Amino acid sequence: AQSVTQLDSHVSVSEGTPVLLRCNYSSSYSPSLFWYVQHPNKGLQLLLKYTSAATLVKGINGFEAEFKKSETSFHLTKPSAHMSDAAEYFCVVTHSNYQLIWGAGTKLIIKP
Amino acid sequence: EAQVTQNPRYLITVTGKKLTVTCSQNMNHEYMSWYRQDPGLGLRQIYYSMNVEVTDKGDVPEGYKVSRKEKRNFPLILESPSPNQTSLYFCASSLASGRARASYNEQFFGPGTRLTVL
Repeated sequence: AQSVTQLDSHVSVSEGTPVLLRCNYSSSYSPSLFWYVQHPNKGLQLLLKYTSAATLVKGINGFEAEFKKSETSFHLTKPSAHMSDAAEYFCVVTHSNYQLIWGAGTKLIIKP
Repeated sequence: EAQVTQNPRYLITVTGKKLTVTCSQNMNHEYMSWYRQDPGLGLRQIYYSMNVEVTDKGDVPEGYKVSRKEKRNFPLILESPSPNQTSLYFCASSLASGRARASYNEQFFGPGTRLTVL
């Protein structure tokens, strides 16, 4: 069965410092994995997607994620946080051709 | 502009009063889906539709109905709302034709509908 665990409900970093949002998944086959972002009072937007073409995936706004099969992880990183990165981030794994499983979300807080 | 629209954006209602939340997309997507978002639980799927007249239950379908009579529209119906259906609801759509499996493609989301049931 597929599942996804976001290891931190909140992450707080200072502006200009690196960001790490952790995601572990469980899957009985090779899944596709996604990160979506939700800015305050806004809808959800795709940040990046892994579909087995390359293990290091680059997304929008300087974010990237690395698929590590041996560790069943898909952590999201950014070298330098910006105030506009403050949002909630969701790690998502495919469950079937028509369904996704969403993590509980990680709120990213950026300190000035 | 390619988009998913939902109406209403905000709704306060009372227990038992039937309501419909509309969802419409202009991208000719085959796949549409409804989610509810609750704090600490992420998004949970209510119902999805693979194409016109084809729908299936998601993870939390109890208390909800859907229909897909046209490709662009996918309304969510609460026949007898209860307070535990107070939530933020999102409609989403994606491609799902030929080899394009819906869940492997980018989901495009509406702006959300905040529902309060008193």
